[in-house]
Amino acid sequence: EAGVAQSPRYKIIEKRQSVAFWCNPISGHATLYWYQQILGQGPKLLIQFQNNGVVDDSQLPKDRFSAERLKGVDSTLKIQPAKLEDSAVYLCASSQGLAGATQYFGPGTRLTVL
Amino acid sequence: TQLLEQSPQFLSIQEGENLTVYCNSSSVFSSLQWYRQEPGEGPVLLVTVVTGGEVKKLKRLTFQFGDARKDSSLHITAAQPGDTGLYLCAGASRGSTLGRLYFGRGTQLTVWP
Repeated sequence: EAGVAQSPRYKIIEKRQSVAFWCNPISGHATLYWYQQILGQGPKLLIQFQNNGVVDDSQLPKDRFSAERLKGVDSTLKIQPAKLEDSAVYLCASSQGLAGATQYFGPGTRLTVL
Repeated sequence: TQLLEQSPQFLSIQEGENLTVYCNSSSVFSSLQWYRQEPGEGPVLLVTVVTGGEVKKLKRLTFQFGDARKDSSLHITAAQPGDTGLYLCAGASRGSTLGRLYFGRGTQLTVWP
């Protein structure tokens, strides 16, 4: 079974530029998560989708971050405009259900904002 | 403010030594998970503990959930270089149906041959 796929793996941009990340979850997984992991910290949930609906975006900086999962499968996370403090690894995870379901993580996208 | 505090932050030991990593919180969790993350990869789930006082063993790894479900520990016996990685604990909130996890900062373990 294929795991969670993410692209690109690495991205370097200058501040105030825009960037987008893509995630393809495990087939059949209804729940999709985007996490931000800053160096030296644990992952922090940005947004959680159940199928194509948002169930938790309380930690998403909505003035610059946006995410969508239009057909309930793939998802994109966008940052516009990027700030220096957005430098981090952006992890996508998926699970079959909600509470208690195992989350499977992708390899992440390492973003460096100069 | 970190909901889950992990200690130590860094641990560097020789092959064959034993070690314990701690995960503490003032909050009660319905379950607690331990993950291992290697460079360039996402976290991989090692174990989930659900019941207060629960002990689970995974080969040389022993996981314990505190009686009050606020803390947990991971003990590794006879560590090997392959155990090297970032160990993360994550708690699931009581009463939450969304499955949201709160992660600690992690313990970076290095095991030297």
